[in-house]
Amino acid sequence: GENVEQHPSTLSVQEGDSAVIKCTYSDSASNYFPWYKQELGKRPQLIIDIRSNVGEKKDQRIAVTLNKTAKHFSLHITETQPEDSAVYFCAASNDYKLSFGAGTTVTVRA
Amino acid sequence: NAGVTQTPKFQVLKTGQSMTLQCAQDMNHNSMYWYRQDPGMGLRLIYYSASEGTTDKGEVPNGYNVSRLNKREFSLRLESAAPSQTSVYFCASTQVAGAYNEQFFGPGTRLTVL
Repeated sequence: GENVEQHPSTLSVQEGDSAVIKCTYSDSASNYFPWYKQELGKRPQLIIDIRSNVGEKKDQRIAVTLNKTAKHFSLHITETQPEDSAVYFCAASNDYKLSFGAGTTVTVRA
Repeated sequence: NAGVTQTPKFQVLKTGQSMTLQCAQDMNHNSMYWYRQDPGMGLRLIYYSASEGTTDKGEVPNGYNVSRLNKREFSLRLESAAPSQTSVYFCASTQVAGAYNEQFFGPGTRLTVL
């Protein structure tokens, strides 16, 4: 089955700086890569996703890049704000199922 | 629309007790999922139902059973709870599995097994 590894496990950034989270996947057939944000005590919510036929996608301050050859994808958050503090999960899918990374706890310092 | 709802929100069980976690969605989604979330391990798939009338095992199915009662409802049953099943359980749904569709999550059930 698919194996998704996510790094780093924790990330502390100064408000206004950028944050980058990286994930690798094992199954070359995976074709859909969503990112979920989970605030403390809340449910995971989709923030951005990318399909395998696209190399990069942006939505305001967040962007995702995909390198199919290397089987890795990354989340970039620019101009971080206190409300960006949360746990972020990457995931990969090639069928009915999503395989999630272990998560990155992002803390934005004021 | 309520989206995906789960009951109960919290539950404490003793080892060996049984219980059923309930999940319902009002988005007319075809596919539903049960995950467990443990610290440092992300979300792991227990069982899923790609469409009404079908269920399949996920990554960690041992100790669990599921029922897709109808298109709206998907329940998860623990027949004989063990401390290793202490976790937060999330139900999710999506329009059509495998078609780049967003999974919508319920609020979660926090289960403690003593």
